Amino acid sequence: DTEVTQTPKHLVMGMTNKKSLKCEQHMGHRAMYWYKQKAKKPPELMFVYSYEKLSINESVPSRFSPECPNSSLLNLHLHALQPEDSALYLCASSQVDFLPGGYEQYFGPGTRLTVT
Amino acid sequence: GIQVEQSPPDLILQEGANSTLRCNFSDSVNNLQWFHQNPWGQLINLFYIPSGTKQNGRLSATTVATERYSLLYISSSQTTDSGVYFCASTQTSGSRLTFGEGTQLTVNP
Repeated sequence: DTEVTQTPKHLVMGMTNKKSLKCEQHMGHRAMYWYKQKAKKPPELMFVYSYEKLSINESVPSRFSPECPNSSLLNLHLHALQPEDSALYLCASSQVDFLPGGYEQYFGPGTRLTVT
Repeated sequence: GIQVEQSPPDLILQEGANSTLRCNFSDSVNNLQWFHQNPWGQLINLFYIPSGTKQNGRLSATTVATERYSLLYISSSQTTDSGVYFCASTQTSGSRLTFGEGTQLTVNP
């Protein structure tokens, strides 16, 4: 099974709201990722977790707060977002985040976020 | 970091036609993936192909790592093949997956 699940599928939130995105995988992968994708652009990496520890933060604003409670779960907590944060948020996982021979990333279906 | 360039940016085909999409990368890589993003946003893994040739039904891919390019072949295209095709790679010294800008494919009936 190469499935990554994400909830919710769609989210509309105001600029003063607090919400969370959830991602789950049961492939035994030890690396998990958050990406942001704007319309007609490729996904952009936001965060990488390796063995439940944050290993990469691509200078993401603090209104986005990632959390990895265990090896199967990844959350993205959202607070005081701006309308320009509206985008498709994709979660991915891979066996590990670095191998000499490379690795394959698997993506979830995404959460389409609209900030009003 | 590594640069990934895809061509063509847009491609319009009639159903049944064949096509070739190209991905050039600027450095040695240990990971090369092709994805199809459907209209709902799902990124579907097509191939994991850091080198060599693979085939899956009407799709095949070839990566020539020494010359830093990869090709995705789509034969007998169908309307369901429409969407954006992304190539993404990780250089051998890094762990970030870098995407190209994608090829928007439209297959008309």
